[in-house]
Amino acid sequence: EVQLVESGGGLVQPGRSLRLSCAASGFTFDDYAMHWVRQAPGKGLEWVSGISWNSGNTGYADSVKGRFTISRDNAKNSLYLQMNSLRPEDTALYYCAKDPGYDFWSGYPHYWGQGTLVTVSS
Amino acid sequence: QSVLTQPPSASGTPGQRVTISCSGGSSNIGSNTVNWYQQLPGTAPKLLIYSNNQRPSGVPDRFSGSKSGTSASLAISGLQSEDEADYYCASWDDSLNGWVFGGGTKLTVL
Repeated sequence: EVQLVESGGGLVQPGRSLRLSCAASGFTFDDYAMHWVRQAPGKGLEWVSGISWNSGNTGYADSVKGRFTISRDNAKNSLYLQMNSLRPEDTALYYCAKDPGYDFWSGYPHYWGQGTLVTVSS
Repeated sequence: QSVLTQPPSASGTPGQRVTISCSGGSSNIGSNTVNWYQQLPGTAPKLLIYSNNQRPSGVPDRFSGSKSGTSASLAISGLQSEDEADYYCASWDDSLNGWVFGGGTKLTVL
């Protein structure tokens, strides 16, 4: 059974940094691309970033480009999102999601974790 | 403002058939496949339809998807109370080089 468990969320001041983690189990992690998708309170879904199976390709939404960095450690079955220069509008529940393929643009977010809440406020 | 456009709400009575539309453009739906997600209250999204009209295992055949040009639709037949949820469409956008979602449709079962 695919399991994705996010962690690292919390309350952070504007301009500060935070690193999210996603622990994966139940599948061969290094065979699949991964995604981060967020949902602001009471709002819809917004794709944040994707990474291919071997970290060879990454992609970002314009809203986070230059501030967020996605990475993965296949030896640890883990996905990360380094978030710098955080803004109040980054406040959201952040989900990690597994793709059914190697690359994040040709598949889709399939299995989702339960999310970790990031609140950016002074 | 979402790149893909969905009606904010839809409703139906038990047993009825309802459809939810998703409108996009040539860089997303017009040239890529569409996926649909169901988000029950307080839970993570769940994949409902992929590649326009394919159902993952475990998804009832009451749910079906279609695509024509730059628009897509999700149809739910034999509506049940447990179908009350938010529904989102999604597609890859070749211009933005990223995934785009619709704003979501809140389905109410009357």
